[in-house]
Amino acid sequence: QSALTQPASVSGSPGQSITISCTGTSSDIGGYNYVSWYQQHPGKAPKLIIFDVTHRPSGVSNRFSGSKSGNTASLTISGLQAEDEADYYCSSYTTTNTRVFGGGTKLTVL
Amino acid sequence: EVQLAESGGGLVKPGGSLRLSCAASGFIFSSYTINWVRQAPGKGLEWVSSISSSSLYIHYADSVKGRFTVSRDNAKNSLSLQMHSLRAEDTAVYYCARDRDEWSPDGLNIWGQGTLVTVSS
Repeated sequence: QSALTQPASVSGSPGQSITISCTGTSSDIGGYNYVSWYQQHPGKAPKLIIFDVTHRPSGVSNRFSGSKSGNTASLTISGLQAEDEADYYCSSYTTTNTRVFGGGTKLTVL
Repeated sequence: EVQLAESGGGLVKPGGSLRLSCAASGFIFSSYTINWVRQAPGKGLEWVSSISSSSLYIHYADSVKGRFTVSRDNAKNSLSLQMHSLRAEDTAVYYCARDRDEWSPDGLNIWGQGTLVTVSS
């Protein structure tokens, strides 16, 4: 049950786009389309922003998009806004019926 | 309003036990898989356990297997996490979180506010 691999930090200026990668294995990301992404602001509970690799829950901005290729998933945030500054976590279902999270990526909006 | 609310956190000595609870409201509790996710201070999220709607399927992270037990009472819309043999590395905020979909593990869309467990002598 090793954690998925994410970059520790990314940054971008308002209006720009950034992409956060999330690398796993064929036992998790590569094995299922059950990849999800979460946004967490300091002191708050995580919020689901992407499920099933590419789908956005109702109410989540269409500036957030997800994709997957092989064992790597990606989250792209376009038109960066100050409110997007937060920690982002990927997660996947696994072949042992467990879930695994990535180590998290801190997004700084410059 | 759809909600989950954890309780039961606190300070416990290494080797001790603690029982966390999660109360659900605003949705048909008996239809959904519920998970426990924890977050150590300043660290990332770690999935801990899941229990299916009927308690038929229960899974644990290797880090807690044999020490933690999850259970649910659908009649009372509640979930519990019994924790034994606690270690310093179990110190974390513990969240209960609901699967978005009744039938697939595609994401956790309802989270509680979390309850802090501190394991220290």
